[in-house]
Amino acid sequence: EADIYQTPRYLVIGTGKKITLECSQTMGHDKMYWYQQDPGMELHLIHYSYGVNSTEKGDLSSESTVSRIRTEHFPLTLESARPSHTSQYLCASSDLTGGNSPLHFGNGTRLTVT
Amino acid sequence: AQSVTQLGSHVSVSEGALVLLRCNYSSSVPPYLFWYVQYPNQGLQLLLKYTSAATLVKGINGFEAEFKKSETSFHLTKPSAHMSDAAEYFCAVRVSGNTGKLIFGQGTTLQVKP
Repeated sequence: EADIYQTPRYLVIGTGKKITLECSQTMGHDKMYWYQQDPGMELHLIHYSYGVNSTEKGDLSSESTVSRIRTEHFPLTLESARPSHTSQYLCASSDLTGGNSPLHFGNGTRLTVT
Repeated sequence: AQSVTQLGSHVSVSEGALVLLRCNYSSSVPPYLFWYVQYPNQGLQLLLKYTSAATLVKGINGFEAEFKKSETSFHLTKPSAHMSDAAEYFCAVRVSGNTGKLIFGQGTTLQVKP
């Protein structure tokens, strides 16, 4: 069982609010990722990080931002939530010691913006 | 560029029947391939990964997948379906380079009928 934690699991919030989705891992992995998953749809990478102070945008454009101040922590922030941000957000990490090193996923945060 | 295509967004089988979930990949380099399972309201759990050491890969919960280079396929099978196998299944390929990113297929929902 992977040790990667996401909070909150569910969040319902009004339009215009600022939110931060938390993601922490205790495995010491350098690489971390945020994927967005709409219902019944594939996962799209929105942010990733090689390590501390390193963040990159993913393949899907997102209005969210991320930070990586500590190895174990990779929070995602939305400055002003909108209904279009309603989705499931999945955090993952990897040590990438080899090309077949898997991504370990948290249980996700299901965000609903009203 | 790498990509994966999962044929069939929904597959329905009877309990005890063979499970076959199809995945085809596109890659200009030897691919690193993965199968993940997602149960409702949870994150993704690794089922198995292709290591290039063997073309037939065994995973958890009785699942296995066979890598066929000539067919660019990595289909997932299980000889006898259980009710607990009902879930969403994702095939993924690792993007070449050092980002460690995975590109996911569209997912296949497996329904198991009693």
